[in-house]
Amino acid sequence: DAGITQSPRYKITETGRQVTLMCHQTWSHSYMFWYRQDLGHGLRLIYYSAAADITDKGEVPDGYVVSRSKTENFPLTLESATRSQTSVYFCASSRPVWARTDYGYTFGSGTRLTVV
Amino acid sequence: QKEVEQDPGPLSVPEGAIVSLNCTYSNSAFQYFMWYRQYSRKGPELLMYTYSSGNKEDGRFTAQVDKSSKYISLFIRDSQPSDSATYLCAMSGRDDMRFGAGTRLTVKP
Repeated sequence: DAGITQSPRYKITETGRQVTLMCHQTWSHSYMFWYRQDLGHGLRLIYYSAAADITDKGEVPDGYVVSRSKTENFPLTLESATRSQTSVYFCASSRPVWARTDYGYTFGSGTRLTVV
Repeated sequence: QKEVEQDPGPLSVPEGAIVSLNCTYSNSAFQYFMWYRQYSRKGPELLMYTYSSGNKEDGRFTAQVDKSSKYISLFIRDSQPSDSATYLCAMSGRDDMRFGAGTRLTVKP
């Protein structure tokens, strides 16, 4: 099925553990993004990628690592989880700027992460 | 000051009411303006997209952009219970997008 899939949907982890959130898209979109959504802050950009092997920091990158070896996958790793990283994480994808007809992003359903 | 300011609400209206949702922004480089709708425990989905100042209508929804005032609005006419969701404004220059905090709307039957 075409779309953008995030896994897991829910995750509980302990402080200090490494955890990886997965994102897979079948649109062949070149751009992919990771956002976190917190009450009162809305969506904040963590990292984005313009193409395979090209990544860049967003607003709140500290404590996160990304990689993009294949166009369709964009995993997000929390190297040593902290309670402040408890949040809902959304992956999104889009065409390049010059090819966007509506300038919108396609979002996944999110991963709800709790760090205890 | 945040680049994008949006009243978080919550906003509760009776069915059939006209709803007005608003955002202000500070970055003059923003050229593209969007509204996303997000249902509970779902990802945001693009609702409206506009470029430049003016109005854009799509069914019961009207998006309005006033670049001189750095102000955007979304109007929902004849609101329905199915419109109950969080509405996020978003805007972008050439690169990444900035989102408002979202306004939670409830339309009561």
